[in-house]
Amino acid sequence: EVQLLASGGGLVQPGGSLRLSCAASGFSFKTYAMSWVRQAPGKGLEWVSSISGDGAVKYHADPVRGRFTISRDNSKDTVYLQMNSLRVEDTAIYYCAKILDSAGCDYWGQGTLVTVSS
Amino acid sequence: QPVMTQSSSVSASPGSSVKLTCTLSSGHRSYIIAWHQQQPGKAPRYLMKLEGSGSYNKGSGVPDRFSGSSSGADRYLTISNLQSEDEADYYCETWDTNTRVFGGGTKLTVL
Repeated sequence: EVQLLASGGGLVQPGGSLRLSCAASGFSFKTYAMSWVRQAPGKGLEWVSSISGDGAVKYHADPVRGRFTISRDNSKDTVYLQMNSLRVEDTAIYYCAKILDSAGCDYWGQGTLVTVSS
Repeated sequence: QPVMTQSSSVSASPGSSVKLTCTLSSGHRSYIIAWHQQQPGKAPRYLMKLEGSGSYNKGSGVPDRFSGSSSGADRYLTISNLQSEDEADYYCETWDTNTRVFGGGTKLTVL
């Protein structure tokens, strides 16, 4: 059974940093690309970042480029999202998702809440 | 990059059928998409991959009541024999080089 367990969310002041983690199990982790997707309160889904299975290719959405960095440790079956220079508008539930090639995000984690507020 | 447009809301009665639409922007009519369901207070759930040909592949455990079809730039999700648990937000997703995109979502109310 595929499981994705996100953690690391919390309350942080504007300008602060957080690192999210997503521990995966139930599949060959290194074979699949992974994504982070967020959802602001009462809003829709917004793609944040993706990383290839070997970690060599990373890309980020325009609103977070230069502030957020996605990475992965295939020895720990974990994907990370380092978030720096956080803004109030980054407040959201952050979901990690497994990407099935040419098929979309086929498994989702339960999400972790990030609140940016003074 | 592609843009995906969805109606904001739709309502239907239990036992009836509903067809949700996701429209791809000009220049992206051939793109494969995915449909996701998000029930209130829960994480999204993958429903299916849907190609421009209308061919679709459903995710694990997705009921037979859910099906997909396509016409030009439009991608459809049809839910038959609506149940109360189908009340949810439905999102389409697509991808391109170095980006992924979600539609704005359709809120389905089962009256």
